[in-house]
Amino acid sequence: KAGVTQTPRYLIKTRGQQVTLSCSPISGHRSVSWYQQTPGQGLQFLFEYFSETQRNKGNFPGRFSGRQFSNSRSEMNVSTLELGDSALYLCASSLVEGSPNVLTFGAGSRLTVL
Amino acid sequence: AQSVSQHNHHVILSEAASLELGCNYSYGGTVNLFWYVQYPGQHLQLLLKYFSGDPLVKGIKGFEAEFIKSKFSFNLRKPSVQWSDTAEYFCAVNGDQTGANNLFFGTGTRLTVIP
Repeated sequence: KAGVTQTPRYLIKTRGQQVTLSCSPISGHRSVSWYQQTPGQGLQFLFEYFSETQRNKGNFPGRFSGRQFSNSRSEMNVSTLELGDSALYLCASSLVEGSPNVLTFGAGSRLTVL
Repeated sequence: AQSVSQHNHHVILSEAASLELGCNYSYGGTVNLFWYVQYPGQHLQLLLKYFSGDPLVKGIKGFEAEFIKSKFSFNLRKPSVQWSDTAEYFCAVNGDQTGANNLFFGTGTRLTVIP
């Protein structure tokens, strides 16, 4: 069974640009969550999608957005990039939406903003 | 608000030594608790979890953790570490009043095992 697949794995952008990251969940998993991992702040929850709807959102500015498609694949977008957006962006999928739940993480997309 | 504290930032042990990594959380309600591990160059993997029942939970690779509700703790233990246990370990909590996929993570503990 393939795991959670994230693309691209590495990317470099400059301030002011925007970026789109993609996540394909484990087959059969319908819930996708996104996390930001930085050395200073650690792992922080961005948002969660289930059935193409955002179910929960973390404390991030509106420049961070996402969506989910009917095949459960998800994308997240960061507009007007800032230096502080440099991070590892992790996607996690789970079978269902409710609690308790177990997240399976992908390898991440490492974004560097210059 | 929920938060998780991992007091040990970097732990260095020799092989065969015993391990205990501390994890304390702040949340007054029912919690789900997790330990994730990130081996060098690899993605986050679930080590073990506690949802309910026996507070002593066993995970993969000989790890176990004990949930002590009165202390708001979920410490990770292993009786004898191996060089291959070198990794970063994250404790995470999910409270019953937040979304099931909204995990609050600790800052992580880096474990280095010396052969």
